[in-house]
Amino acid sequence: QKEVEQDPGPLSVPEGAIVSLNCTYSNSAFQYFMWYRQYSRKGPELLMYTYSSGNKEDGRFTAQVDKSSKYISLFIRDSQPSDSATYLCAMREMDSSYKLIFGSGTRLLVRP
Amino acid sequence: DSGVTQTPKHLITATGQRVTLRCSPRSGDLSVYWYQQSLDQGLQFLIQYYNGEERAKGNILERFSAQQFPDLHSELNLSSLELGDSALYFCASSTRTSGVETQYFGPGTRLLVL
Repeated sequence: QKEVEQDPGPLSVPEGAIVSLNCTYSNSAFQYFMWYRQYSRKGPELLMYTYSSGNKEDGRFTAQVDKSSKYISLFIRDSQPSDSATYLCAMREMDSSYKLIFGSGTRLLVRP
Repeated sequence: DSGVTQTPKHLITATGQRVTLRCSPRSGDLSVYWYQQSLDQGLQFLIQYYNGEERAKGNILERFSAQQFPDLHSELNLSSLELGDSALYFCASSTRTSGVETQYFGPGTRLLVL
């Protein structure tokens, strides 16, 4: 079993929809949680990060962490065609190495 | 543009060969990370260097090695290449933002082993 599980999609939604992307994990030592966006043939781009449980909002994006359920989510409001990309969750323990463990990524397509 | 640069963008080589991938971190970043992204394994951590010293190792094969030089650029050496080594190789560097160490990725090197 992988440490981080993520539905690969693809997820296809109409423009303006609210998108929900999710990851589950098994390692209770994970403390930092991130969401990266990756366009085709490009490097991952950091969207959001959160520490421990709770919510964080940045514009149209909201990240949620529920450590008791080992479940994290990214919500995208008013989705745009430019949001079409692969979204990767990533997480790490609170140690000195900072190595990230990634989910497999969810491919999102926002239809105009 | 993340500020992390990687060369070359593309590399095509044959099985059994050796290649070197190069990474320059963002200005001021001391940490460099290498990741491999393949279709079946996703994005996997290989190795981390901090200010010239190896800090953490992930699922890096013995045929692969890396180093970080005094000017902080890093090289990933892949030898005795196999077909299964074909993948995207990303370098990231990290900085502390609002008290949290965050990683910024370069554009990657696409390696094709024939």
